[in-house]
Amino acid sequence: QSALTQPASVSGSPGQSITISCTGTSSDVGNYNLVSWYQQHPGKAPKLMIYEGNKRPSGISNRFSGSKSGDTASLTISGLQAEDEADYYCCSYAGGRTVVFGGGTKVTVL
Amino acid sequence: QLQLQESGPGLVKSSETLSLTCTVSGGSLISSSSYWGWIRQPPGKGLEWIGTIYYAGSTYYNPSLRSRVTMSVDTSKNLFSLNLSSVTAADTAVYYCARNLGIPAAGVPPYYFDKWGQGTLVTVSS
Repeated sequence: QSALTQPASVSGSPGQSITISCTGTSSDVGNYNLVSWYQQHPGKAPKLMIYEGNKRPSGISNRFSGSKSGDTASLTISGLQAEDEADYYCCSYAGGRTVVFGGGTKVTVL
Repeated sequence: QLQLQESGPGLVKSSETLSLTCTVSGGSLISSSSYWGWIRQPPGKGLEWIGTIYYAGSTYYNPSLRSRVTMSVDTSKNLFSLNLSSVTAADTAVYYCARNLGIPAAGVPPYYFDKWGQGTLVTVSS
């Protein structure tokens, strides 16, 4: 069970859209549409942003959206805002009631 | 409003056992759709899933930690616990507890974490 692969960093200007990729294998991302995404600000606990690929919990802005193609899931943040600057982690079901996280991506708002 | 709170020693000696408890308030541990998980984050690094437990006692562990992890639940106190044995400096991390959800009625296993505790830093000293 290896960690999912995410880019170390992604940046964008306010108002722009950015996409964070999350690459797994046919044993996790590719085999299940059970990917979740978390936002983590420094010193804080992670916060659920997306689950089941593209569902948003109550209170999460529709600027956040998820998608999947093959072994790669993606999180898109549209209309980038200063408050979106944080670390983002993907997580996928990996069979046998186990899950695996990605290595995390630092989003910088220029 | 469901809340989770981790508690336990902040300092553990190398080769000993790390023991943490997660107390659930504002809701019951006993739910057909709720599993309960532990996740850790070494300083400056990413998240690592440790394991998940169902209120009835079923457990599921990260294969890389399985030999050292034991999780348990106490429904009378509405809490669940983590024991990690033979710790080393590599186990130094912030440990989080979280509610782990799926859709059991639809055969969807627990795969996302919607409520998290604030986390507790555990340092392993030599």
